[in-house]
Parts: sequence; structure tokens; C-alpha cells
Amino acid sequence: DIQMTQSPSLLSASVGDRVTINCKASQNINKYLNWYQQKLGEAPKLLIYNTNNLQTGIPSRFSGSGSGTDYTLTISSLQPEDFGTYFCFQHNSWPTFGAGTKLELK
Amino acid sequence: EVQLQESGPGLVKPSQSLSLTCSVTGYSITSNYWGWIRKFPGNKMEWMGYISYSGSTSYNPSLKSRISITRDTSKNQFFLQLNSVTTEDTATYYCARSPRRVGPDYWGQGVMVTVSS
Repeated sequence: DIQMTQSPSLLSASVGDRVTINCKASQNINKYLNWYQQKLGEAPKLLIYNTNNLQTGIPSRFSGSGSGTDYTLTISSLQPEDFGTYFCFQHNSWPTFGAGTKLELK
Repeated sequence: EVQLQESGPGLVKPSQSLSLTCSVTGYSITSNYWGWIRKFPGNKMEWMGYISYSGSTSYNPSLKSRISITRDTSKNQFFLQLNSVTTEDTATYYCARSPRRVGPDYWGQGVMVTVSS
């Protein structure tokens, strides 16, 4: 299985901040990397698919980049509704997940 | 709008079978791919397997001997059965639509299942 190492596990930030979350795969995943947001008790929400494709309805302050084994989610200007948990997901081969990043208010 | 809803018992005894239903509205399960995912206490997540639009299935090798995913197209539902459960199967179980080469785009809210005597 491909291992996904996600960092940081906890991120404290303020409204308006630019934040980045990283995922590193144990081998090349050919840009088959998605980012999700989850809030307590809710279904995960797809933000970005295949590295840099913004899912319909997701604000443009979310963006993704990367290639090979290293991928990044960027939120350009944090909004109050962005706090929650984020996780990455690779589907180049049998799907696996990152461990998650909890984004909290500083 | 595509909506998924998991249902099933919240408590299962060790060695018994876990059976869950995913009810889909707004989209036919005879199109696309449909998966089961679980999130363990401590937040590790695992892709368990999926059933395709044609009814073919693929399972996580770590579960292959215990898992079965089936469907009822007349009810637009698909199902998870996990046999011989242990306390390590305690998790929140999610169903999701998962287009090929996109990954899961619509998810249910999840159902928490505890394995305990």
C-alpha cells in the first residue's frame, strides 16, 4: 500500500491567514491526489481532485498543487467556515488516506 | 442532488457479522462506482472496497476474506457485510460515490458501529 504522510497534524491559524497543508506519498501517485474537508458529524466534502481541480461549488481560495510524491493544499485567506479537519486521499493505486490535519482557530 | 445515507446496527457482538445499507437518492447506482470507507477511533481511514455500475466488486486485500459488497438496484441501495468482526472493526462507516479517476465525491454522514460484547 502507498503510505500518505500528512503534515501538520494540528494547525492553529487566524481568519485571513494563508495556510498550507502537505501530503507526501511513499511513491509516485501521478497527481491522483484529492483533498477533503470534514466537520464534526458531517460528511466529508471534496475540495480538490487530482491535485489541482477545484470541485464545483468550492471557493477559489482553495487550491492544490504538487506532483510525484509531494502535494499541497493552500487556503489563500482563511474564513471562519474553513475550520475543521482536512485529509488527503490518493487513488493512483489501492486508495489510501492521510491521517488528517485539524485546523483550529488561534 | 446526490445523497447517500448509511443505516444499520450501532452495536455488533464479536464474531458476528456487521451489515450496513447505503441508500442513494438523486443518482442511479447502475452508473458509476460506489464504495465503503471506515474511520477508526484515532482518525485513521481505510478504503474497504467498492461495487461498480455493473455489479463487479473490488475489496481491500486486508479484508478480502471477510467482506462482501452487494446491491439492490430496484431500491437503489448497496450493502456492506463484514464477517467475524472483532473490536478492531469498531469505526465510523461511510458510503460514497466514487467516479473512476476522480475518487469519492459524495459521501454519507457515516454510521458509528461499535463491536463489543
